[in-house]
Amino acid sequence: DAGVIQSPRHEVTEMGQEVTLRCKPISGHNSLFWYRQTMMRGLELLIYFNNNVPIDDSGMPEDRFSAKMPNASFSTLKIQPSEPRDSAVYFCASSLNYEQYFGPGTRLTVT
Amino acid sequence: AQSVAQPEDQVNVAEGNPLTVKCTYSVSGNPYLFWYVQYPNRGLQFLLKYITGDNLVKGSYGFEAEFNKSQTSFHLKKPSALVSDSALYFCAAASGGSYIPTFGRGTSLIVHP
Repeated sequence: DAGVIQSPRHEVTEMGQEVTLRCKPISGHNSLFWYRQTMMRGLELLIYFNNNVPIDDSGMPEDRFSAKMPNASFSTLKIQPSEPRDSAVYFCASSLNYEQYFGPGTRLTVT
Repeated sequence: AQSVAQPEDQVNVAEGNPLTVKCTYSVSGNPYLFWYVQYPNRGLQFLLKYITGDNLVKGSYGFEAEFNKSQTSFHLKKPSALVSDSALYFCAAASGGSYIPTFGRGTSLIVHP
């Protein structure tokens, strides 16, 4: 298996622009997580899906952030409008039996 | 509420010496415990987990961890460190049956040649 796939790997955008991050989980995994990692805040859980249904979105910072999982093999995290404080590495992870498998991350820079 | 503490931001050890990276947790009920490693510019990689059974858990790359219920600890250990073990290590804990773990802040392990 190719593991969790994320795209793009790097994204540089200007404040106010819309950003869409993409994730393809490992085939057969039924749980998907979106995280954000910064030096200041460490690793933060943004949202958790189980069987394509959002179960816990309490970590989503504000209404500018939204996430979807239209099917078992694809998820998106959208930021609209983006702000400089959104700059971070965003990870997607999938899971079947508690342990999580992380993608390589998307490094987002908002100028 | 769940919480995980990794009391050391950084651990330094000489190559060939044993290493320990500390983790304590607070969860309700039986804990599910995990260790992950993150190399520079990479995602976190699963090392090992404790769900139930033997208190000493063996994982990838020669790492092991010991579950201590009375001390609510789950320290990561390796008998002989390698320079290539240098990385950021994360402990995570969840309440039994929960799929949402809480991660610690991470400990930077530096192994000196």
